[in-house]
Amino acid sequence: KQEVTQIPAALSVPEGENLVLNCSFTDSAIYNLQWFRQDPGKGLTSLLLIQSSQREQTSGRLNASLDKSSGRSTLYIAASQPGDSATYLCAVFTGANSKLTFGKGITLSVRP
Amino acid sequence: NAGVTQTPKFQVLKTGQSMTLQCAQDMNHEYMSWYRQDPGMGLRLIHYSVGAGITDQGEVPNGYNVSRSTTEDFPLRLLSAAPSQTSVYFCASLRLGSYEQYFGPGTRLTVT
Repeated sequence: KQEVTQIPAALSVPEGENLVLNCSFTDSAIYNLQWFRQDPGKGLTSLLLIQSSQREQTSGRLNASLDKSSGRSTLYIAASQPGDSATYLCAVFTGANSKLTFGKGITLSVRP
Repeated sequence: NAGVTQTPKFQVLKTGQSMTLQCAQDMNHEYMSWYRQDPGMGLRLIHYSVGAGITDQGEVPNGYNVSRSTTEDFPLRLLSAAPSQTSVYFCASLRLGSYEQYFGPGTRLTVT
């Protein structure tokens, strides 16, 4: 059974810091991995999608990497801003049941 | 494109009442699914559909029914609401090929 872990559950950093959010998964037989952002009381916004054949994807200040063999992904946020404060979820798609398996998320707080 | 839309945004039900959560997408995606999000539990798959007329159960299907008569719509029915169904419900659709998932804004349901 696929399990996705995100540690720590919460993180607080000062504005301007570069930071890395970690995600690990137990079954390397994945189609892709997606990183989502969720603001309090809101829906999920897709940030980056990495296919299983790719090593990384970039969008603006965000860079996500994937090491399928070790079951790890990282989301790098450069020059963090208070507006980056949100919960970040990673999810893997294995193709079975068209289901995404989610981690429980990392709640990020960026202090001005 | 409106993407994935859900109605209502909020709903309060009494125990034993029934209701239907609506979900629609205008991206012509074959795959659609319903998740619920609970504190400490993350997002869990309720039901999914791989095309019109085809549905199947996810991890937590008890107490919910679905049908898929068109590609666009995937309603979720609560047959007899229970307090344990208090949650935030998200509908998602999947783009074949990239297998990227798109989420609706969610329905916040409270059962008293």
